[in-house]
Amino acid sequence: AQSVSQHNHHVILSEAASLELGCNYSYGGTVNLFWYVQYPGQHLQLLLKYFSGDPLVKGIKGFEAEFIKSKFSFNLRKPSVQWSDTAEYFCAVRDNFNKFYFGSGTKLNVKP
Amino acid sequence: KAGVTQTPRYLIKTRGQQVTLSCSPISGHRSVSWYQQTPGQGLQFLFEYFSETQRNKGNFPGRFSGRQFSNSRSEMNVSTLELGDSALYLCASSLGGTGNNSPLHFGNGTRLTVT
Repeated sequence: AQSVSQHNHHVILSEAASLELGCNYSYGGTVNLFWYVQYPGQHLQLLLKYFSGDPLVKGIKGFEAEFIKSKFSFNLRKPSVQWSDTAEYFCAVRDNFNKFYFGSGTKLNVKP
Repeated sequence: KAGVTQTPRYLIKTRGQQVTLSCSPISGHRSVSWYQQTPGQGLQFLFEYFSETQRNKGNFPGRFSGRQFSNSRSEMNVSTLELGDSALYLCASSLGGTGNNSPLHFGNGTRLTVT
């Protein structure tokens, strides 16, 4: 079965620090890759997605992610975080059968 | 366009009871998926419905069931509730067609507490 690993469960950063959240998946076939964000008290929202083409994808609020096929990775990055980025971040993979697999999430706490 | 709507927002039930949760997808979306979210476990996939048929299923016991209606609205039922069923249940919709790259759109969830 497919699995998605997010190695950082809880990350604490100061404002203006750079962010990188790791995501690795196990599926060897064609995948679609996603990052979702859940702000406190809100529903999950799509941050960015990769389907094909340029492996560096840009999302909302200055986030980007890079798909490295050889490493089965799709890490999320942001050069300078803000207090408003405090949230929980989920990596997700969709396989050929339209089934989504989510990582266990990374809680980001940005200190002002 | 209205988003994914889940009702009710909160539920408190006792062990052994059953519960039904409802989800109305975004207009035009034919796929509805259900997830269980608990602290530390992330999102666990329950099942997905597309055009009134269960297309995918996760690894939950048979006490968890669902259905989808012709208007794409979906319900999830949990029978013989256990304390461990306490969680946030999320519904997500997407266009869902084969080869379609539509992402999931989530509702606010139903917070179920079993006492």
